[in-house]
Amino acid sequence: DGGITQSPKYLFRKEGQNVTLSCEQNLNHDAMYWYRQDPGQGLRLIYYSQIVNDFQKGDIAEGYSVSREKKESFPLTVTSAQKNPTAFYLCASSHQQGRRGNTIYFGEGSWLTVV
Amino acid sequence: GNSVTQMEGPVTLSEEAFLTINCTYTATGYPSLFWYVQYPGEGLQLLLKATKADDKGSNKGFEATYRKETTSFHLEKGSVQVSDSAVYFCALMSGAGSYQLTFGKGTKLSVIP
Repeated sequence: DGGITQSPKYLFRKEGQNVTLSCEQNLNHDAMYWYRQDPGQGLRLIYYSQIVNDFQKGDIAEGYSVSREKKESFPLTVTSAQKNPTAFYLCASSHQQGRRGNTIYFGEGSWLTVV
Repeated sequence: GNSVTQMEGPVTLSEEAFLTINCTYTATGYPSLFWYVQYPGEGLQLLLKATKADDKGSNKGFEATYRKETTSFHLEKGSVQVSDSAVYFCALMSGAGSYQLTFGKGTKLSVIP
């Protein structure tokens, strides 16, 4: 089935650790995104990428890093510099930007908890 | 800047009741508007969208009309079911070439039998 696959679904991080969340899509989408969701809040953009080997910071990029070595993959690393990482992380993708009404599709999400 | 304001939840309705979730927006340019739905523990699914004034998006019995004069995109359904229990997010994307969705905070809907 075509879609966006995130893994793991649940992840626990110890203080001072870096962790990486995986995101893979087989929709042949050019653009990929990472959002963070906190309880009772809307989604906030962490990073986005329009093409391979290029990515841009979103509203809350501090303490996070990404890479885009392949079109279908956009992993997110939550570094130890992120002081409050416990949240639900959503990966998304869309066709090339610049089209009106461009729809962004989301994965199932990954829960990250600091222990 | 862009912003989306949704009615505060949670909203609790009986099965077959009429649903309205209000959404208003502020945006630069001429945005596209979206409603997403999130079921417990899952990601977001696109419910419907509208790209220009007076467009009506519809899906699964839900409807929303893009009202430029009132900057609104209210979600409605004539008869809700228990399976509609979820969190609903209104969002906008401002203009062609935009890379970002701006979300409201979400409205939790619970439908009881």
